[in-house]
Amino acid sequence: SAVISQKPSRDICQRGTSLTIQCQVDSQVTMMFWYRQQPGQSLTLIATANQGSEATYESGFVIDKFPISRPNLTFSTLTVSNMSPEDSSIYLCSVSIGGLRELFFGEGSRLTVL
Amino acid sequence: KNEVEQSPQNLTAQEGEFITINCSYSVGISALHWLQQHPGGGIVSLFMLSSGKKKHGRLIATINIQEKHSSLHITASHPRDSAVYICAPDRGGGADGLTFGKGTHLIIQP
Repeated sequence: SAVISQKPSRDICQRGTSLTIQCQVDSQVTMMFWYRQQPGQSLTLIATANQGSEATYESGFVIDKFPISRPNLTFSTLTVSNMSPEDSSIYLCSVSIGGLRELFFGEGSRLTVL
Repeated sequence: KNEVEQSPQNLTAQEGEFITINCSYSVGISALHWLQQHPGGGIVSLFMLSSGKKKHGRLIATINIQEKHSSLHITASHPRDSAVYICAPDRGGGADGLTFGKGTHLIIQP
C-alpha cells in the first residue's frame, strides 16, 4: 500500500500568481500522476512524472503552464503557473503500485483563483 | 459519447437503506476501479475488480465484462457513507488507460 501526503490542502490565490503543490509518498514508486478535477467534472490526467526524466504531459496540458518536478522516488511537485479563474480545481496526485495497478491518491489540493 | 456513464448522478437516501450505484462503459478493459471521494477532495480506492464480485464490509462491487457494466452496493447505509463514488474503467497500460466517471453524489440522511 501507499500513503500519500499532499499540500496545501486548499488555497485561495490571485489571478496571475503561481502555486506549487507538493506530493510525498511513504514508499518508493516509479511513476506518480497528477490529475485535475474541475467543478462538477471527472478527473483528468495532467501528466505522468517519472524520476530522472521529464514529465509526460497529456493533450491540452503544457509544461510552461504546469511544470512538474520529480527529484526522487518519493516526492513530486506540480506548479500551476500564471493562474486564472479557470484553474480553480481540485488537483490530486496519485500512484499505482505494482502490476496489480491498485490506485492510491493524495488528499487533494482545492485551489480557488480570484 | 462519454466512455463512462454513472447513474444516478445524485442520490439521497435514509440511513439503513440499500444503495446501488451503476456504471456502464464502452471500452474494453482489464479491470475497473470504484473510488470514494470525500468532501475535502481526497480519494480512496474501494475496489479493483476484473470479474465477478468483491465484498468489503458493507460494500459489494460486481462487474459483468460482457455487458460492460458494474454496480456498487452499500448495505445498511450510514451517514458516514455520504461521499462521491467514482467508477474508473482501466484499459491497462499507463495512467492514460484510466477513464473516470463524473461520480455519484450520495447523501445518507440520519
